[in-house]
Amino acid sequence: EVQLLNSGGGLVQPGGSLRLSCAASGFDFSKYAMSWVRQAPGKGLEWVSGIDNNGYIKYNRDLVKGRFTISRDDSKNTLSLEMNNLRVEDTAVYYCAKDHSPYYDSSDFDSWGQGTLVTVSS
Amino acid sequence: SSELTQDPSMSVALGQTVRITCQGDSLRTSYATWYQQKPGQAPKLIIYGKNTRPSGIPDRFSDSSSGNTASLTITGAQAEDEADYYCKSRDTINNSVLFGGGTRLTVL
Repeated sequence: EVQLLNSGGGLVQPGGSLRLSCAASGFDFSKYAMSWVRQAPGKGLEWVSGIDNNGYIKYNRDLVKGRFTISRDDSKNTLSLEMNNLRVEDTAVYYCAKDHSPYYDSSDFDSWGQGTLVTVSS
Repeated sequence: SSELTQDPSMSVALGQTVRITCQGDSLRTSYATWYQQKPGQAPKLIIYGKNTRPSGIPDRFSDSSSGNTASLTITGAQAEDEADYYCKSRDTINNSVLFGGGTRLTVL
C-alpha cells in the first residue's frame, strides 16, 4: 500500500524558515516524480513545486520566488521542501503528492500525504 | 493567460446528471485532470489523461473537452459525490502545473 507521511509543519514567524518532509513507502520511490501542493484554509489547491525521478526540478515561480527548495533522497525514500523567508500568505496545509506513472512527469497525482499545516504568524 | 476557471458552486438532484466545467488556454494543449476532495481529506484523483479513471473510481465519472474547456460529467449523482472538484492542467509555457479554483458540488 502506498503511504506518504507528511511532517515538519508548525507555527513560524514571518521571515522564518521550515523544512517539510514526506516519507514514502509501499512503492519504488526512485521511479516516480513527486510534488508539493498546498491549500490555504478554506481555499483551493495550489501547486508549489515538483521533482521528477531524474532530479529535474520545477517551481511555481510566481509563488516561490526563490524562497523554496524541493529535494529528494531516494536512499531514504524522502521528499523535502525547504521554505525560507516565509510570509503570512504561505499559511496552508502542504501535501506531498506522487505521480501516477513511473519514469514520466505527468503531474497527475494518484497518492497524497495527509498534509501538514504551516502557519505563518507573528 | 495561465489560469483555469471553474464555477465556484453547483448543485445536482440525487440521481441526475451534472457537468462541471473548467476553462483555460492551457487546456488547448493539455488534458485536464480531475480531483475530488471531501472535507478534511486529501484530494483524490478521479480522471486523468484522455478520460481515464483510476481503479476504484465509478464509471459515472467521465470527462470531455473542446477547445479551451474541459468538462467533468457525473451521470447519476450519488450523495457521496458531494465534494469539491478541482481541474488541473499543465502549463507548458511556464513549465508549471495549474489548478482551477474548484467547484463545490452539492447533491440535493
